[in-house]
Amino acid sequence: DAGVIQSPRHEVTEMGQEVTLRCKPISGHNSLFWYRQTMMRGLELLIYFNNNVPIDDSGMPEDRFSAKMPNASFSTLKIQPSEPRDSAVYFCASSFGGHSGNTIYFGEGSWLTVV
Amino acid sequence: KQEVTQIPAALSVPEGENLVLNCSFTDSAIYNLQWFRQDPGKGLTSLLLIQSSQREQTSGRLNASLDKSSGRSTLYIAASQPGDSATYLCSLGGEEVHTGNQFYFGTGTSLTVIP
Repeated sequence: DAGVIQSPRHEVTEMGQEVTLRCKPISGHNSLFWYRQTMMRGLELLIYFNNNVPIDDSGMPEDRFSAKMPNASFSTLKIQPSEPRDSAVYFCASSFGGHSGNTIYFGEGSWLTVV
Repeated sequence: KQEVTQIPAALSVPEGENLVLNCSFTDSAIYNLQWFRQDPGKGLTSLLLIQSSQREQTSGRLNASLDKSSGRSTLYIAASQPGDSATYLCSLGGEEVHTGNQFYFGTGTSLTVIP
């Protein structure tokens, strides 16, 4: 299996620009998560989807952030307009839903720097 | 809301030493607990998964225990090696009445094994 695939791996953008991060979950997984990781705050859940439907987006910091999952194999996280404080590593993760002891698999992350 | 704490935040040990990493949580209503390893610039890799009905899991030099009643888990690493240097995070798989999953992460323990 290819694992969770994220793109881009690294992005440097200017403040005010739109940023789109992409994720392809593991085939067959029906839960998808977007996390943000910083030194100060650690790993924060931004949003998670189950069967392509957003279940909990309470972690999305503000209206500048939006996430979509148009189908089971693709999700995007968009920041518009971007700000320097958005600089972080953004991880996408997926798992198979249910409560039978599933594990969660992470992508390699998208390293975002907003200057 | 589940709160997960990992102490210490950083640990430095000489090679060959046995060590224990700690994870505590506030809500014992969990489905599972996972220990992850994160290398610099990388995503999270699952090490061990303990179901809520289990007390421990072992993989090689790693042993993870779970005590739900006290809200604690430990990760024991035997005969530590420099290659074990990484950040270790624990994650709780929470109960959900809705479809889908919820995972709660600690802030991690940064381990350095000195040759």
